[in-house]
Amino acid sequence: GENVEQHPSTLSVQEGDSAVIKCTYSDSASNYFPWYKQELGKRPQLIIDIRSNVGEKKDQRIAVTLNKTAKHFSLHITETQPEDSAVYFCAASTGGGGSQGNLIFGKGTKLSVKP
Amino acid sequence: NAGVTQTPKFQVLKTGQSMTLQCAQDMNHNSMYWYRQDPGMGLRLIYYSASEGTTDKGEVPNGYNVSRLNKREFSLRLESAAPSQTSVYFCASSELWSSGDGYTFGSGTRLTVV
Repeated sequence: GENVEQHPSTLSVQEGDSAVIKCTYSDSASNYFPWYKQELGKRPQLIIDIRSNVGEKKDQRIAVTLNKTAKHFSLHITETQPEDSAVYFCAASTGGGGSQGNLIFGKGTKLSVKP
Repeated sequence: NAGVTQTPKFQVLKTGQSMTLQCAQDMNHNSMYWYRQDPGMGLRLIYYSASEGTTDKGEVPNGYNVSRLNKREFSLRLESAAPSQTSVYFCASSELWSSGDGYTFGSGTRLTVV
């Protein structure tokens, strides 16, 4: 089955700097890659996602890139702000077939943005 | 439009007690899921229901049972709680399991088993 590895587990940046979180996946059939943000004590919330037919997607200060050949995808946050401090999770799924329709999550990255 | 609603928000159980975690969604989603979240372990799938009338095991199903009561509701039952089941439990839903959609999560249930 699918396995998703996420690095780093913790990341500390200064306000205004960029942050990059990387994930690798094992199943070459995976075709959907969302990213979730979880603030302390709250629920995970979808912030951006990408499908396998595109290599990059942007939404204001956040972007996701996908390299299907290397089976990895990354979250990029530019001009970080203190409110970006949270745990970020990547995930992958194949969108169907047995249990592969389920999202498999990475273990998370705790991002701290220092003012 | 409340999204995904979970009850209770907090619960303390004694070892061996049973309880049911309730989850309901009002987005007319077809698929529903139960995850547990433990420190450093991310989100691990317990059970899922791809559509009304079906349920299947996820990564960590031992010690749990589920019921898809109708399209809106998906409950998780602990028959005999153990300290290893101390965790935060999240219910989630998505429009269509087969299309690989993003999930909407409930606010979670923090369960402590003593």
